Amino acid sequence: AQSVTQLGSHVSVSEGALVLLRCNYSSSVPPYLFWYVQYPNQGLQLLLKYTSAATLVKGINGFEAEFKKSETSFHLTKPSAHMSDAAEYFCAVTAGYQKVTFGTGTKLQVIP
Amino acid sequence: ETGVTQSPTHLIKTRGQQVTLRCSSQSGHNTVSWYQQALGQGPQFIFQYYREEENGRGNFPPRFSGLQFPNYSSELNVNALELDDSALYLCASSMGGFQETQYFGPGTRLLVL
Repeated sequence: AQSVTQLGSHVSVSEGALVLLRCNYSSSVPPYLFWYVQYPNQGLQLLLKYTSAATLVKGINGFEAEFKKSETSFHLTKPSAHMSDAAEYFCAVTAGYQKVTFGTGTKLQVIP
Repeated sequence: ETGVTQSPTHLIKTRGQQVTLRCSSQSGHNTVSWYQQALGQGPQFIFQYYREEENGRGNFPPRFSGLQFPNYSSELNVNALELDDSALYLCASSMGGFQETQYFGPGTRLLVL
């Protein structure tokens, strides 16, 4: 079985501050991991994807995530938050050709 | 390149009715997955279609059914609607199985009264 846990349903940061959104996964086989962003009343957009090629994955809009097997983590970071980053972020996992399992999401608020 | 489109954008039904949601996959994609996203939750996998065959199903009852057509567009049908079926229904297309990147449509918001 596979699962993801997103710590913190709501995160607030000041504009220009570091963004850190936490995701821990559980999988019995090597996973593929994803981060998606969802703006209000829209579908999901892929930010980045881990496929075991490199542990540090760079995505769109300045986001990146680091795969840490020892910590079973795949946290999402961005050095400097922008107002346009305010959205909901979802971590997701698939392993062993199983269906994709999404976390419950983290809403990011950016304070001007 | 045309992205994933879904219709309708919004829908209101009453309990017990039936609904059909439609999805056009991105050009060149042969796989469509459907998800249900309840308010405040992450998307939950309903099922996936690969080249017109069901290729996996989540924990949804049989009244949730689907189709994929030769042009790889897809339908989601829900019979005997219940109040808890109220949600955003997302369609995603990809070039193969679950490890491939999925591209999501904007969703159909269904309200069951």
